[in-house]
Parts: sequence; C-alpha cells; structure tokens
Amino acid sequence: DAGVIQSPRHEVTEMGQEVTLRCKPISGHNSLFWYRQTMMRGLELLIYFNNNVPIDDSGMPEDRFSAKMPNASFSTLKIQPSEPRDSAVYFCASSLGTSGLNEQFFGPGTRLTVL
Amino acid sequence: KQEVTQIPAALSVPEGENLVLNCSFTDSAIYNLQWFRQDPGKGLTSLLLIQSSQREQTSGRLNASLDKSSGRSTLYIAASQPGDSATYLCAVMDQGGKLIFGQGTELSVKP
Repeated sequence: DAGVIQSPRHEVTEMGQEVTLRCKPISGHNSLFWYRQTMMRGLELLIYFNNNVPIDDSGMPEDRFSAKMPNASFSTLKIQPSEPRDSAVYFCASSLGTSGLNEQFFGPGTRLTVL
Repeated sequence: KQEVTQIPAALSVPEGENLVLNCSFTDSAIYNLQWFRQDPGKGLTSLLLIQSSQREQTSGRLNASLDKSSGRSTLYIAASQPGDSATYLCAVMDQGGKLIFGQGTELSVKP
C-alpha cells in the first residue's frame, strides 16, 4: 500500500489567495483526519471524517477554513483567503475507525507558506 | 480539557545508552495512548499503541508503559543508536476519538 498521499508537498502563496490541500487515505480506511503543526502550538486536530461525514470540526480555526470528503478516497482542506498565520505543516491521517483499537497513519504533510 | 505534557523537551545521549521519555496527561478517560516518531521534514510514524486496558507494549528495542490512574506513560529505548535520533511524540485518544498530542521530545543520539 502506498500509505496516505498528500499533495502538494510544498505550497508557497501570497496572502489573500485560495489554497487547496489534498489527501488520499489508505484504501479501506474509513476515518480521515486533518492536523496542523506549528512550532508554537504543536500538532492540533482540525477536523475528522468518519465514512465521509464530518464528525468534529471544532478545531477548524475560523470560517476561512473548510474541508470536504466527497468520497472514500479523497479529501480536501481549503483556506480562503489565506493569511501569513496559516503558515504551517498540514498533515492528513487515516485509520480503520475511530475506536481505541485503531492506529492512525499519517501522510508526509504539506508545508504551507503564506507570504 | 485534556492536556498532554512531555518531558524533557530535548535529550542528548551517547550511543548505546538506555533512555526513558516521559509523557503525562491530565484526564484519565482515554481510549488509548500512542507513541509516534517524527523525522525532520517528515510525517509521523506510529511506534506503539497501548489500549486503555493494557499496561505496556513492546516492539523490538522499544517498550511503552501506561499508568492510566496516575496519567503517565513512559517510552523506554534500549541500546540507543544514532538512527534513533528524531522527535518522539506522545498522543492520547480521548473518548470522542480525537488524538491530543504532546509537544514532543527531541532526541539526539551521538555516535
């Protein structure tokens, strides 16, 4: 299995532009998670899906952030408009479920820089 | 609100030494605790997962323990090697299925 796939790996954009991050979970996994990692705040969960349905989006910082999962093999995280404080590494992870039995497998991350 | 703390923030040891990384959490109502490894510029690799009903898990030179009542976990690395150099992250899964991470311990093993 190729593992969790994220694209792009690096994104540099200017303040005010729309940014779309993409994730392909491991085949057969039915839970998908979006995290953000910064030096100041560490790793934080933004939102997670179970069977393509958003379960908890309480970590989404504000309305500029939105996430979708149109099918079991694809999810997007969109920031519109982007701001310099959104600069971070964004990770996608997937698991077989959300119970305590299930490990989460992480993608390589997208390093976002907003100028 | 669940908070996860890792001590120390950074650790440097000579090759061959045994070492212990510490993790503490404030709310004992967890589903599991996981230890991850993160190499610079990379994603996270799961090392060990301990269910809330378990006391420890072992994988090769790694052993993780869990004391839920005291809110503590340790990751023991035996006979450390330079290839073990990385950041080690502890995370607890709360009863909503969310992983809450500590800030990590940056380990450097010197040859």
